[in-house]
Amino acid sequence: EAGVTQFPSHSVIEKGQTVTLRCDPISGHDNLYWYRRVMGKEIKFLLHFVKESKQDESGMPNNRFLAERTGGTYSTLKVQPAELEDSGVYFCASSRGVNTEAFFGQGTRLTVV
Amino acid sequence: AQSVTQLGSHVSVSEGALVLLRCNYSSSVPPYLFWYVQYPNQGLQLLLKYTTGATLVKGINGFEAEFKKSETSFHLTKPSAHMSDAAEYFCAVISKSGYALNFGKGTSLLVTP
Repeated sequence: EAGVTQFPSHSVIEKGQTVTLRCDPISGHDNLYWYRRVMGKEIKFLLHFVKESKQDESGMPNNRFLAERTGGTYSTLKVQPAELEDSGVYFCASSRGVNTEAFFGQGTRLTVV
Repeated sequence: AQSVTQLGSHVSVSEGALVLLRCNYSSSVPPYLFWYVQYPNQGLQLLLKYTTGATLVKGINGFEAEFKKSETSFHLTKPSAHMSDAAEYFCAVISKSGYALNFGKGTSLLVTP
């Protein structure tokens, strides 16, 4: 069974540019989460999808961040325009249901210069 | 709010020595607690979890943790450290919503020969 896959693994962009991160969850997992770790800080929850619906996006930093989950399968997280403080590692995770194990991807390391 | 505090951002042990990584939690409801590990260049992997029942939880790779309600603690231990245990360890608690994870800042474990 394939795990959670994230693409790209690394991205370096200039301030003001747009970047789109992609996450492919484990097949059959309705729940998909995005987290972010800014250097030196905790891993922070960004948002949660149940199938294609946003269940909770309370952790999204601001309106420069847009997450979608087309057809309840893969998800994208777009940052537009990127700022320096957006640098960090973005993790995606998926799970079957609430209070069940969340499986994490390897993360995308985003560097904004 | 559900939160965890990890004491010590870096812990160093000798190979063969006891590993003890500390985690204290704050929760307004019975907590679901987790320990995740991140090896270099890999994603987060679940080591073990506590939901209900037995307070001593055994995980993968010889790790275990004990839920102590009176001390609001969920410390991670391993009797004998291996070089391969060098990684970053994260304690986490399920949020009140029942799905998102609230992570601690992480503890980097260094194992010396």
